[in-house]
Order: sequence, then structure tokens, then C-alpha cells
Amino acid sequence: DTEVTQTPKHLVMGMTNKKSLKCEQHMGHRAMYWYKQKAKKPPELMFVYSYEKLSINESVPSRFSPECPNSSLLNLHLHALQPEDSALYLCASSPYVTGTGLETQYFGPGTRLLVL
Amino acid sequence: KQEVTQIPAALSVPEGENLVLNCSFTDSAIYNLQWFRQDPGKGLTSLLLIQSSQREQTSGRLNASLDKSSGRSTLYIAASQPGDSATYLCAVDPRSNMLTFGGGTRLMVKP
Repeated sequence: DTEVTQTPKHLVMGMTNKKSLKCEQHMGHRAMYWYKQKAKKPPELMFVYSYEKLSINESVPSRFSPECPNSSLLNLHLHALQPEDSALYLCASSPYVTGTGLETQYFGPGTRLLVL
Repeated sequence: KQEVTQIPAALSVPEGENLVLNCSFTDSAIYNLQWFRQDPGKGLTSLLLIQSSQREQTSGRLNASLDKSSGRSTLYIAASQPGDSATYLCAVDPRSNMLTFGGGTRLMVKP
């Protein structure tokens, strides 16, 4: 299984809602990532988990809360979002082999989020 | 701060042409450079990864080169096909697991 899956595919939420995005991989990868991609822009790194621990937080607002319950799952909890948070949210995973330069990242199809 | 630039931003070519996409980066201290393909509204597919010690990588009709000292990479696509139409993104990894992406090149191959 060489796939990263993401659910839901589409999500519409109001600014007062609480929702969660889910990402799953079964490749035995120990690093998982959340990216945000606005239309016609490149992906921007939000969070990195290594061995289920948060290792990188790229100054993301607290209304985005990541969670890594186990080595296969990554969640992104959303609360009190703003319309400018509307974007494609991409999850990725990679084998964690530090320093070798071999860490290809495998991306999921993304969740398209619209905040009204 | 690492900055990655891709030229051109958009490219339209007739089927069968060989083409070159360019990527430049400002900090040569990288672990690797990767080229990805993204279809509209979809996730990214890794095409090629070049380690910092390598000069090029090949996969089928794709060839990517890396000149770390000058901060440049090129993606060469031979005999382009309509199915190659997509956005091509290069990304550098300045340290483990932190990709910085370029703005992408939107490629259209016309039948």
C-alpha cells in the first residue's frame, strides 16, 4: 500500500464550527506533514510530526490543532476558522531517515476546505 | 531564508516537443531537491528526487539535473504528450523533512 488517504475530500464550515481533517498511511512512514495550499500557489508547510511527536510548527495560528494518535494517523482539528483559511489542505508522509537526503514525501489528494 | 523560483510560470507547447523547466534556489545547503507533478485540485506526485551529492536523475522521459553550487535545477521532458499537462513544482529540502516549494510551472501540451 503506497497511498496516503485523506478524508473528507471536501468540507464547508462556518466560522463557529469545529471540524477535523483526517490523514492515514500504511507505509510504515514515521514522519507526517500538513501543508496548506491556496489557489495557484505552492504548498506551505504547517506541521511536521516525527515518531508521533510534533517536531515542526511553522508559526501556525492556534485555531489549527494537529494530533498524531499513532504512527499511521494524523488529524488536523479546526476551530473558529476565518474565510482566508479556505484552501486545499494536503497531508504527506515520508520514511524518517535523517540526514541521508532520501526522504521522498508521498502526498494525499487533499481536503478542499471552504470557510463561510 | 530559502527562496525557490521557477521559470517560466506557464508554458504551452505542441505535442512532441522536448522542453526544459527551470528551478533556482538561494541557499545551496540542501539535502535534496525534488520535482513533483500536481494535477488541478489534486495532491502532489513525486517525479524525481536528487540527493545533494548527485548531479542528475532519470525516470522514463524525465531527466532532472542539479547544480548545487549555482543553485539551479532543470527538469527535462522528452517528447511531450498531452498527458504531461499539469503543474510542475520543484522543492528543496534544506534540512530533513522541511520542503520549500517553488511557485510552479503550469504546463499545457496541445495535441
